[in-house]
Amino acid sequence: QKEVEQNSGPLSVPEGAIASLNCTYSDRGSQSFFWYRQYSGKSPELIMSIYSNGDKEDGRFTAQLNKASQYVSLLIRDSQPSDSATYLCAVNRGTDKLIFGTGTRLQVFP
Amino acid sequence: DTAVSQTPKYLVTQMGNDKSIKCEQNLGHDTMYWYKQDSKKFLKIMFSYNNKELIINETVPNRFSPKSPDKAHLNLHINSLELGDSAVYFCASSALQGNGYTFGSGTRLTVV
Repeated sequence: QKEVEQNSGPLSVPEGAIASLNCTYSDRGSQSFFWYRQYSGKSPELIMSIYSNGDKEDGRFTAQLNKASQYVSLLIRDSQPSDSATYLCAVNRGTDKLIFGTGTRLQVFP
Repeated sequence: DTAVSQTPKYLVTQMGNDKSIKCEQNLGHDTMYWYKQDSKKFLKIMFSYNNKELIINETVPNRFSPKSPDKAHLNLHINSLELGDSAVYFCASSALQGNGYTFGSGTRLTVV
């Protein structure tokens, strides 16, 4: 079992729709959780961090964390073609390193 | 102002050569990292330094040797390059343990 799992996609959604990206992790001791966006040929860019159970909203982005189910999700409301990218889930287990998933490719079509 | 900068951006070299990648951050962060991203986009940690001290050394061939002359700089030297070393190498930094990282722009290494 991979430490951080994501569906590779592609996830295709129409412009204006809600895109829902999911991530599960194996270590129950994980403490902090991050979503990165990576455009093709570019470096990962931090878009959301979440540390406690529940929802965290920032603009069109909402991160959701359920530690009991070991599940993190990212919702993107009013999806735009510019949101088309690979979204990487990352988990910190309390050590000084992030464990990344393989990413979900999102395609938003006009 | 670039927060985390890496040089070079592209590196094409022959098998058996030795090459170095340099990284500098001007964020005042204490911790720096090297990650390798393979062709399937999987990001895997290689090394981490905290204030010039090596704190993470994952299962990486001895041909890879990091060096941190000060907490703002982290270099990666690779000896006897192999075809399988071809990947994108990212430098990153973070302020505190458990915080998210800021990544550099990456170095695309191609070994031919």
